[in-house]
Amino acid sequence: GESVGLHLPTLSVQEGDNSIINCAYSNSASDYFIWYKQESGKGPQFIIDIRSNMDKRQGQRVTVLLNKTVKHLSLQIAATQPGDSAVYFCAEKGGGADGLTFGKGTHLIIQP
Amino acid sequence: DAGVTQSPTHLIKTRGQQVTLRCSPKSGHDTVSWYQQALGQGPQFIFQYYEEEERQRGNFPDRFSGHQFPNYSSELNVNALLLGDSALYLCASSSVGLYGYTFGSGTRLTVV
Repeated sequence: GESVGLHLPTLSVQEGDNSIINCAYSNSASDYFIWYKQESGKGPQFIIDIRSNMDKRQGQRVTVLLNKTVKHLSLQIAATQPGDSAVYFCAEKGGGADGLTFGKGTHLIIQP
Repeated sequence: DAGVTQSPTHLIKTRGQQVTLRCSPKSGHDTVSWYQQALGQGPQFIFQYYEEEERQRGNFPDRFSGHQFPNYSSELNVNALLLGDSALYLCASSSVGLYGYTFGSGTRLTVV
């Protein structure tokens, strides 16, 4: 079936460096994509979203890139801080679907 | 402005029992979705409620049922609990026709 998956389960970066988390999706009908951050014991926290009519969107220290040709989504975090340590999920919403489809997540570890 | 609130935060049940989880959506939201998140996995869509009716359902058995009240709050009921039902149950609220989903912190259900 359709799925959203992540390339790496764990990403370790030095504090202050930029982080890039990648995500592949397979549902070509998806029209909305979201990145969530989830800390231990908490629910997913919205980071940034992008609709399929865009290929880039920027927020505070974060940028999401969407490549519909290869069905790839990425999250860039600038100047990574200790508070960025968490599991990051990409999620997609297909046309006509009410629910979000999540990937398994990438655990971002910040090294001092 | 209160976000999504879920109760209880933790729950332990015995196999075969029934459980009810509760969710109050974010102020201004009228749609509630429920997700199951197994340990180390991404959330899986269970179903969504709008105007007190189930709009769409994920791949979950009929043991999982729900309800939405006139004040938009919602309940998730699970009958005949199995060990495999142990998970974090997340509620997300949104406004119909608009993008953007806000998640609660979840209810940790343990079935023994």
